[in-house]
Amino acid sequence: DVKVTQSSRYLVKRTGEKVFLECVQDMDHENMFWYRQDPGLGLRLIYFSYDVKMKEKGDIPEGYSVSREKKERFSLILESASTNQTSMYLCAAVGGLHRNTIYFGEGSWLTVV
Amino acid sequence: QKEVEQNSGPLSVPEGAIASLNCTYSDRGSQSFFWYRQYSGKSPELIMSIYSNGDKEDGRFTAQLNKASQYVSLLIRDSQPSDSATYLCAHLLSFGNEKLTFGTGTRLTIIP
Repeated sequence: DVKVTQSSRYLVKRTGEKVFLECVQDMDHENMFWYRQDPGLGLRLIYFSYDVKMKEKGDIPEGYSVSREKKERFSLILESASTNQTSMYLCAAVGGLHRNTIYFGEGSWLTVV
Repeated sequence: QKEVEQNSGPLSVPEGAIASLNCTYSDRGSQSFFWYRQYSGKSPELIMSIYSNGDKEDGRFTAQLNKASQYVSLLIRDSQPSDSATYLCAHLLSFGNEKLTFGTGTRLTIIP
């Protein structure tokens, strides 16, 4: 079974705080993603990475950055959290028989107060 | 026009009946299509993937793809209360470009 692990499930942070969301995958694959999910808006891609130290902006990168120092780990960073970043954040990685299926972690619920 | 469109529902189906979920997409270059199931408060779980025109069956689930009409559907036979969830349709433009684009999901309720 593929495994994508998000270390923080539930977080409450104050406006202006720096927030790190960590994601680890065991599929030894290069491609990893960060999405956020909001009611009525569905899943929106924030950033993705095709390899170590590589990153690409998704559809809504503003207010976020990422770090990919090792193949298995992809971190999402909120430099200065704001209340409109309250959301569920989903990390995903590619796996499967043909390495073309995307699997999700369990999600991180972030509340910014 | 959104890249992937789904009827947001809610869709209510009696237990034991067939649930039919539909999705249209705008990019004719789309190659791969996926259906994910998401229970409330949980992350999406892959149910089906389909790459070629026609039907693909897996247990009680059948995915149908019609690239000419830019239409993909998911049928759930013998619906069970445990099938109550939000179903997300997603597509990839091409293999190697693994940027998955999602619809907003259809909420399905199976009525016992």
